[in-house]
Amino acid sequence: DQQVKQNSPSLSVQEGRISILNCDYTNSMFDYFLWYKKYPAEGPTFLISISSIKDKNEDGRFTVFLNKSAKHLSLHIVPSQPGDSAVYFCAIPNRDDKIIFGKGTRLHILP
Amino acid sequence: KAGVTQTPRYLIKTRGQQVTLSCSPISGHRSVSWYQQTPGQGLQFLFEYFSETQRNKGNFPGRFSGRQFSNSRSEMNVSTLELGDSALYLCASTRQGGFHEQYFGPGTRLTVT
Repeated sequence: DQQVKQNSPSLSVQEGRISILNCDYTNSMFDYFLWYKKYPAEGPTFLISISSIKDKNEDGRFTVFLNKSAKHLSLHIVPSQPGDSAVYFCAIPNRDDKIIFGKGTRLHILP
Repeated sequence: KAGVTQTPRYLIKTRGQQVTLSCSPISGHRSVSWYQQTPGQGLQFLFEYFSETQRNKGNFPGRFSGRQFSNSRSEMNVSTLELGDSALYLCASTRQGGFHEQYFGPGTRLTVT
């Protein structure tokens, strides 16, 4: 049973438009949430995080929104750039000191 | 500052063999975590070491083990390899442990034949 779900394996977005990546979770007791970006042949890179006491965190072109009642978080990238083409993982540390990753969404930015 | 390094980058082993992977964290980082990435299961947490002690362990069989040395370098060992162990093995380091803002290495691609 997946505790962290990224239901879209891939997403294609036109350059300059907004990319929205989604992540759903099942446990309402998670304290903070992370997004990672991964290029081929490289390890994941931390992108942005959000604490459960907030509903929005912004860092440049990247904004993460948290909807606790829906157990849903989303990553918005605007405007999307070619270098944003990568696999994006949401990751959630649980209270057992383990971290659970979603299976990732591959984002393609189209020229 | 040098990043997290992992050796070897690629490895081919036969079923039943054992393998040892190495991870050197960023200088000053005391925590190293290991992950397995497969197409079917995604990224899964294996274990975390902090100051030479295993702090957390994921849901993997005992064939998967690790250790950390006094210089924070870590090794991961898999014994009696199975075909399903073919994966990208990633390690990540942080200064004080936990999962916030981990720095990942490029991974070791293990293929079991």
